[in-house]
Amino acid sequence: GAVVSQHPSWVICKSGTSVKIECRSLDFQATTMFWYRQFPKQSLMLMATSNEGSKATYEQGVEKDKFLINHASLTLSTLTVTSAHPEDSSFYICSPGQGLNTEAFFGQGTRLTVV
Amino acid sequence: AQTVTQSQPEMSVQEAETVTLSCTYDTSESNYYLFWYKQPPSRQMILVIRQEAYKQQNATENRFSVNFQKAAKSFSLKISDSQLGDTAMYFCAFQNTGNQFYFGTGTSLTVIP
Repeated sequence: GAVVSQHPSWVICKSGTSVKIECRSLDFQATTMFWYRQFPKQSLMLMATSNEGSKATYEQGVEKDKFLINHASLTLSTLTVTSAHPEDSSFYICSPGQGLNTEAFFGQGTRLTVV
Repeated sequence: AQTVTQSQPEMSVQEAETVTLSCTYDTSESNYYLFWYKQPPSRQMILVIRQEAYKQQNATENRFSVNFQKAAKSFSLKISDSQLGDTAMYFCAFQNTGNQFYFGTGTSLTVIP
């Protein structure tokens, strides 16, 4: 299956600072990357869909200026949480878009804690 | 919009026994795909089984099988001969023709030794 590397696996930051999360597809080219957020004991909620070379599409209720997504190459997509606040503390997971009826592959996730 | 519902937040099963996890979904699409994913404490998402909506035959993967009822929009997962390693969160997922995944709220399964 596809290999997806997400970094960092966990990060603690102070309120007001920004954090960048990287997601790399190591053995294939991902034209699309899905970014999810998962709160404790809850499901994965799609935040945004990034497309290589174009602007990301954000789900309703997700602030695009707060969660900056860059998909500059076919193997790298980044999510930057700007001016982080404690309520942004969550588990963030990336998943490159695959073909229909193809299982989704996921990064290892990033646990963000804002103090 | 698609919605996926898992009505059992928590379940437990005795080791070697069989357990069934429920999932229902709502969609107006005729062609789609359904998946069950497992998320162990490591938080890594792992595919358990998948089902194409146009196939009537229920998918089976070793100890895992599904009961797909398209008319009822139901997609339950049966785990036979439960093992301790099956302890995890299980998410039902719907994939639409736009290649987007929608996940249910999850069922926390505990296998009791």
